[in-house]
Amino acid sequence: GAGVSQSPSNKVTEKGKDVELRCDPISGHTALYWYRQSLGQGLEFLIYFQGNSAPDKSGLPSDRFSAERTGGSVSTLTIQRTQQEDSAVYLCASSLRGRELSWNEQFFGPGTRLTVL
Amino acid sequence: GDSVTQMEGPVTLSEEACLTINCTYTATGYPSLFWYVQYPGEGLQLLLKATKADDKGSNKGFEATYRKETTSFHLEKGSVQVSDSAVYFCALSTGNQFYFGTGTSLTVIP
Repeated sequence: GAGVSQSPSNKVTEKGKDVELRCDPISGHTALYWYRQSLGQGLEFLIYFQGNSAPDKSGLPSDRFSAERTGGSVSTLTIQRTQQEDSAVYLCASSLRGRELSWNEQFFGPGTRLTVL
Repeated sequence: GDSVTQMEGPVTLSEEACLTINCTYTATGYPSLFWYVQYPGEGLQLLLKATKADDKGSNKGFEATYRKETTSFHLEKGSVQVSDSAVYFCALSTGNQFYFGTGTSLTVIP
């Protein structure tokens, strides 16, 4: 079946504008993660969704960042009033079960490269 | 807190050379350990994993052994190929959170 897909693949925006990034996880995967990958940095955890539980938002860097997951499937990451430091690759991953199963593998999408001018 | 530390890159090797990328971790409890690989222009994909001490993960000629006594999970390959050029990420799962290393870029030259 299809893997994790993300859109758009590239997004260039002006400082102060809002952007929406979309993630389509693998069908049937209950867990969904968003990460940010900056140049020379590792993956920075942003937010985690598992089933119908309240999301873990502990990684969101500011209140300009928010995410939702509709119907337990597609997720949208929204960044309001973008800043230049938001420029990065935003990665989405999904897994069949939740992260409480430590052996659970994450499947990653190709990412969205965001450039804020 | 829990964390992963991996060898800084970039690493450049000639084809058929031996590869070791060091990874050490700090964790309470009994984490699972992973190596993910990111080929140019692609997303991360799982390379191998180990879920308990002394387990050895292996795939595509790569190996890594979960060493509890040294809190390490070093990635090794005996003979690298040009197609192994990628960024390699060590990762740790505690059952509560995932932690990724900063990535090590590997370039293999013919």
